[in-house]
Amino acid sequence: NAGVTQTPKFQVLKTGQSMTLQCAQDMNHNSMYWYRQDPGMGLRLIYYSASEGTTDKGEVPNGYNVSRLNKREFSLRLESAAPSQTSVYFCASTGEGYEQYFGPGTRLTVT
Amino acid sequence: EDQVTQSPEALRLQEGESSSLNCSYTVSGLRGLFWYRQDPGKGPEFLFTLYSAGEEKEKERLKATLTKKESFLHITAPKPEDSATYLCAVQAQGGSQGNLIFGKGTKLSVKP
Repeated sequence: NAGVTQTPKFQVLKTGQSMTLQCAQDMNHNSMYWYRQDPGMGLRLIYYSASEGTTDKGEVPNGYNVSRLNKREFSLRLESAAPSQTSVYFCASTGEGYEQYFGPGTRLTVT
Repeated sequence: EDQVTQSPEALRLQEGESSSLNCSYTVSGLRGLFWYRQDPGKGPEFLFTLYSAGEEKEKERLKATLTKKESFLHITAPKPEDSATYLCAVQAQGGSQGNLIFGKGTKLSVKP
């Protein structure tokens, strides 16, 4: 039981490049989330998916798109990366008591 | 506006010196309050969920309590391995399952 896994662990992009962050969970959870974590800002919700086939915007969705590929997988895409998107990105899924379980994170630098 | 405030921002303790971390919240109706531990370079690790005022949860040296306006994470006789950032989050009733509001955390350092 791996829990929540994320790939890649580290990534460096140049401004304007695109990339997709991958997330998968093996806990049979319905809801999945993408957060970014910045110093002094805490965790901020980018997008979430309450169930397979649905997605909704969170607090900071601009510049991102998401895809809920199936019940296990939820990807986050940066179409044209900007330096302001330099951050640590976490994927999470929700258990029965509404608690969220987090992946190990992707550390993204945009130059 | 729903809000979570954690204090202090940083806390330094000697090994064995007990203390408490505070999480104050403002939410229209509380569905649940969550405590997490985050080690450097890792994702947050779930510790506790509290659902109603008066509820308490314990795990090893940690004890979480909840009132109508705040939660405390009590650390009894801490050890250096308890050093981490502790995050508090709330979920409002009526909100979507995505509506988990996080505080900025308390960074705890325990010196031997």
